[in-house]
Amino acid sequence: KNQVEQSPQSLIILEGKNCTLQCNYTVSPFSNLRWYKQDTGRGPVSLTIMTFSENTKSNGRYTATLDADTKQSSLHITASQLSDSASYICVVGVNSGAGSYQLTFGKGTKLSVIP
Amino acid sequence: DARVTQTPRHKVTEMGQEVTMRCQPILGHNTVFWYRQTMMQGLELLAYFRNRAPLDDSGMPKDRFSAEMPDATLATLKIQPSEPRDSAVYFCASGFDAFRGQGHITNYGYTFGSGTRLTVV
Repeated sequence: KNQVEQSPQSLIILEGKNCTLQCNYTVSPFSNLRWYKQDTGRGPVSLTIMTFSENTKSNGRYTATLDADTKQSSLHITASQLSDSASYICVVGVNSGAGSYQLTFGKGTKLSVIP
Repeated sequence: DARVTQTPRHKVTEMGQEVTMRCQPILGHNTVFWYRQTMMQGLELLAYFRNRAPLDDSGMPKDRFSAEMPDATLATLKIQPSEPRDSAVYFCASGFDAFRGQGHITNYGYTFGSGTRLTVV
């Protein structure tokens, strides 16, 4: 069964500190992996997308890594800001080969950045 | 910036009433998705359309839910009759499926709307 597990479930850090969120997946056949940021009361917004041939991608202070061999990804946030407080969702895309494309969502990590 | 527009943003209704949620996908996108998000389950796929045709609606309770795309600029999700357990945030997302031969598909975009928060009392 395709699954995406994220850790930790929640995290509190001080403003200005760095943090790393983890994502492990058992999805096959892998197509791509995305990280989304979801602010409270809003829809998820894409941060990064990586295919199996990419092992790192950055978007400002966000850097995602991917190890397709161990099926792990991480999202590193540098110099956190109060506006980084949100849920971060790891999503793995599967090409079903039957003409459809599926996304498997993790349950997210809720990050709180405090002054 | 192009965006996916969902209406209404909030809906409170009584059990048994019909609820219709609407979504305007991004112009040029050929796929539309409906998701439901709850605290317990996270994001769950309800329906997936490509070129207005339903590809996967296995996540949708067929007895009360229906999803349609009457045209390329409008997707609807209807619940009839609504029940308290349907209370959740419903998201629409649109994207573009590109075919790369041998059945391989890559999806680009996946832009989410702001959601409809449904409360059934």
